[in-house]
Amino acid sequence: AQKITQTQPGMFVQEKEAVTLDCTYDTSDQSYGLFWYKQPSSGEMIFLIYQGSYDEQNATEGRYSLNFQKARKSANLVISASQLGDSAMYFCAMRGPSGVGYSTLTFGKGTMLLVSP
Amino acid sequence: SQTIHQWPATLVQPVGSPLSLECTVEGTSNPNLYWYRQAAGRGLQLLFYSVGIGQISSEVPQNLSASRPQDRQFILSSKKLLLSDSGFYLCAWMTRPPDTQYFGPGTRLTVL
Repeated sequence: AQKITQTQPGMFVQEKEAVTLDCTYDTSDQSYGLFWYKQPSSGEMIFLIYQGSYDEQNATEGRYSLNFQKARKSANLVISASQLGDSAMYFCAMRGPSGVGYSTLTFGKGTMLLVSP
Repeated sequence: SQTIHQWPATLVQPVGSPLSLECTVEGTSNPNLYWYRQAAGRGLQLLFYSVGIGQISSEVPQNLSASRPQDRQFILSSKKLLLSDSGFYLCAWMTRPPDTQYFGPGTRLTVL
């Protein structure tokens, strides 16, 4: 069974500072994928970034980067130069082996990020 | 480009009434489709997924059901709503690869 743990219920950061949101995972699969989603107060889940278990480079998407440490089973999200619009709930998620045809995601409980001026 | 629609956006229903939530995807064919529920302040719980027309897999037993009458249409139903069915319902579709799920805007259901 897969498990995602997000230990930070809430995080506070000042505008323009960097922030790291923690995510650890547990799986017996050798092939898996890790995702981060943002959920603003409107409720929509917005895909941010993806990291495959065999990817050698850490994934980056604009101001988002994923600090992937496979041996430690961690996949932390780093947001550089925080903006007020980054205030939202952030979820880490994992899927099993790709190509199975019915890939499902397991989500963590989320971290609420508040960015102050 | 692909888009995913859900309706209604909000719904208030009495206990014991029926439910029908609809999700449609545009711009792709034969997608995997998913229904999730999010209770207030909680993470996402997978309810159903579908890999094709008429093919539904249930993740948790409950008084909800799902159907996929067309390739890009996914419907969540209930014959009699319970108070515990209140929540935020999200539909998602999945690309291959890397099996990324993209979510619709959601339906906020309140059962009174």
